Amino acid sequence: DVKVTQSSRYLVKRTGEKVFLECVQDMDHENMFWYRQDPGLGLRLIYFSYDVKMKEKGDIPEGYSVSREKKERFSLILESASTNQTSMYLCASSFRGRYTEAFFGQGTRLTVV
Amino acid sequence: KQEVTQIPAALSVPEGENLVLNCSFTDSAIYNLQWFRQDPGKGLTSLLLIQSSQREQTSGRLNASLDKSSGRSTLYIAASQPGDSATYLCAVNRMNSGYSTLTFGKGTMLLVSP
Repeated sequence: DVKVTQSSRYLVKRTGEKVFLECVQDMDHENMFWYRQDPGLGLRLIYFSYDVKMKEKGDIPEGYSVSREKKERFSLILESASTNQTSMYLCASSFRGRYTEAFFGQGTRLTVV
Repeated sequence: KQEVTQIPAALSVPEGENLVLNCSFTDSAIYNLQWFRQDPGKGLTSLLLIQSSQREQTSGRLNASLDKSSGRSTLYIAASQPGDSATYLCAVNRMNSGYSTLTFGKGTMLLVSP
């Protein structure tokens, strides 16, 4: 079974803190994605990566950065957390190509106070 | 810009009913469409993947159809059970800056009563 693991289920951080959300997949997938999910807005793509050290902006990249130093790991970074970044964050991965299936992690509920 | 709409937003049915969830998308230039299930506070579980060249896919009591030309997909759940209660999301795989990414609908929240 594909396993996408996010490092934390719940996080509480203070405004202005630097926050790291980690995601690891064990299926040798080339593609990795970060989404955030908010009531009424659904899932929105923040960043994605198609290879090590490669990143592309999604639909809402402002206030975020990412890092992919190893194929299996994709990190989402909030340089200076703000209350409007309180959300559910979901990581996903898939094989390279247009026709592949995406698999998601269990989600990280981040609260910024 | 691709937009994905799911109707209804919420649905409540008694156990044993067959039901249909709807998903529509504005741009028919998709690679595939995926249906997911999400339990409260959890991640997404992939249910079915339909490639753009396919008309339907089946897994157990679930059947998903795709009509790419009209921009529609349906998820049919047969003989619903309380354990089917969850939010169901559809997502289309589309071109984004030269890469393929998923665009999601906002989901249908399903409650199946015993």
